[in-house]
Amino acid sequence: NAGVTQTPKFQVLKTGQSMTLQCAQDMNHNSMYWYRQDPGMGLRLIYYSASEGTTDKGEVPNGYNVSRLNKREFSLRLESAAPSQTSVYFCASSEWKGTLAKNIQYFGAGTRLSVL
Amino acid sequence: AQSVAQPEDQVNVAEGNPLTVKCTYSVSGNPYLFWYVQYPNRGLQFLLKYITGDNLVKGSYGFEAEFNKSQTSFHLKKPSALVSDSALYFCAVREVGDYKLSFGAGTTVTVRA
Repeated sequence: NAGVTQTPKFQVLKTGQSMTLQCAQDMNHNSMYWYRQDPGMGLRLIYYSASEGTTDKGEVPNGYNVSRLNKREFSLRLESAAPSQTSVYFCASSEWKGTLAKNIQYFGAGTRLSVL
Repeated sequence: AQSVAQPEDQVNVAEGNPLTVKCTYSVSGNPYLFWYVQYPNRGLQFLLKYITGDNLVKGSYGFEAEFNKSQTSFHLKKPSALVSDSALYFCAVREVGDYKLSFGAGTTVTVRA
């Protein structure tokens, strides 16, 4: 039972390079999320997708773009990486049904990104 | 806007002693509250949640949390800590009707043998 799968696990980029972080979930969840985790700052929401076909900005969207490719997959793209984007990135998914959302978010293992 | 505060960066306890991790929240409406745990080099794992009903919520691994509306708190507790409980703990809040969770900065728990 894979849950939420993120690739790659580690990545080192040079300033200005681009890359895409991949995320896939096999739980048939409607909603998917991208967070970044920095020491002492908890998790901050970058973008989210409430359902297939929709995406919205979170708390820290600048420098990122997302694509909800289908119900399973939600990718995060850095067009021109900067050292400030060095972080650990987590993808999550959750069920959303009507007004009483279960909204237990299930997390992937993370991608550790360093931008030099 | 919703927000969460975890006033302690670190909590240190001896194995077998009670463990408490503090959390306070701010929302404009009714809150949904969550605790997650993160072990080294892993993603976050769900521990427990408060949606409605009893103020004392029981979760995984012997953890429980008490919702206190007047103090806007949702402290995580375990009566007898284990060395294996050493991890990073996050409190999170969501307002009814909102898709987004807001996380606290996290509290590192160290349980010494």
